[in-house]
Amino acid sequence: ETGVTQSPTHLIKTRGQQVTLRCSSQSGHNTVSWYQQALGQGPQFIFQYYREEENGRGNFPPRFSGLQFPNYSSELNVNALELDDSALYLCASSPGQAVYEQYFGPGTRLTVT
Amino acid sequence: AQRVTQPEKLLSVFKGAPVELKCNYSYSGSPELFWYVQYSRQRLQLLLRHISRESIKGFTADLNKGETSFHLKKPFAQEEDSAMYYCALKSLYGNKLVFGAGTILRVKS
Repeated sequence: ETGVTQSPTHLIKTRGQQVTLRCSSQSGHNTVSWYQQALGQGPQFIFQYYREEENGRGNFPPRFSGLQFPNYSSELNVNALELDDSALYLCASSPGQAVYEQYFGPGTRLTVT
Repeated sequence: AQRVTQPEKLLSVFKGAPVELKCNYSYSGSPELFWYVQYSRQRLQLLLRHISRESIKGFTADLNKGETSFHLKKPFAQEEDSAMYYCALKSLYGNKLVFGAGTILRVKS
């Protein structure tokens, strides 16, 4: 059984650019949640996708958007990058919507300069 | 407002000493609370849920609604317990987790 994978591992972008982060969910999981973890903070919920539909959103501006594909993998897109977007972005997949069944990926470290 | 507070950024104890990682929360109603752990170079993983009332790796946590706390305890710390620990609750608004800032537990030999 393959766990949750994320790509890339890390990347550096310039303020104002756009970025796409990718997440492959664990086999059999149809729900993907994205979290932002700033340095020294706990993860903060961005949004969740369930069967290709957005199923809840945290307190993030519209320039944070996402997609879920028929194979349940997911993308997080961030437009007009700001310095404060520098963080570790975590993806978690689950077989349903129970939060305690979320399995986390290793994260993507985004640095905005 | 729903909030999780972990007052200690770092807790350092000697091997064999008792451990208590503090977690306080603010929440309307009956919260669903969790402890997550992240060992060095590993991904974030669920340690335990208050609903299951089980002991995992010798750790237990009791929900105290009067004190709005969910402290994580272990009677005898081991070096392999060294990790980052996050307390979290299930949001009232949807299937999302609200995390505290985390506490680094360092167990010294």
